[in-house]
Amino acid sequence: DVKVTQSSRYLVKRTGEKVFLECVQDMDHENMFWYRQDPGLGLRLIYFSYDVKMKEKGDIPEGYSVSREKKERFSLILESASTNQTSMYLCASRIRDRVSYEQFFGPGTRLTVL
Amino acid sequence: QKEVEQDPGPLSVPEGAIVSLNCTYSNSAFQYFMWYRQYSRKGPELLMYTYSSGNKEDGRFTAQVDKSSKYISLFIRDSQPSDSATYLCAMNYGQNFVFGPGTRLSVLP
Repeated sequence: DVKVTQSSRYLVKRTGEKVFLECVQDMDHENMFWYRQDPGLGLRLIYFSYDVKMKEKGDIPEGYSVSREKKERFSLILESASTNQTSMYLCASRIRDRVSYEQFFGPGTRLTVL
Repeated sequence: QKEVEQDPGPLSVPEGAIVSLNCTYSNSAFQYFMWYRQYSRKGPELLMYTYSSGNKEDGRFTAQVDKSSKYISLFIRDSQPSDSATYLCAMNYGQNFVFGPGTRLSVLP
């Protein structure tokens, strides 16, 4: 059974803190994604990674960075958390195949920045 | 105009009703059309996908794509309380994925 896990289900941080969100997949997928999900806005892509040490900006990368040192792990970093980064963060992975359509999602991390 | 638009809901229906969920899109390059289901406090899971215009059926679920109108639908027959979730349409071409904002569905017993 495929699995994407995220390090925390709920996280509360203070403005200005550096925040690390971890995602691990056990499917040997090349592609990994970080989204944030907000009511009425749906899923918005923050960053994605084609493969180890490769990353591409998504639609809303400002205030975020990522790290992919190992194939199975993709980290999202909030350099200096702000209240407008309060959101649900979802990680996903996908096999690298030009006809592949399915992304597998983790359970999400609900981050609150005070 | 957003690339993908979806009826926002929320939608409440009685058990046994037929449910219709819809999305419109603007980019004719999209090739795969998907419906994800997301239960409360969980990540989205793929429910159905279609590649071309037409209908695809899976049990009580039917996905419909009309590429000429840039319109996709998901029909749920004999809806059950266990169908209560948020439904997100999604579409892609190559590495580009776009998700709709989701429709929250409640099926009341």
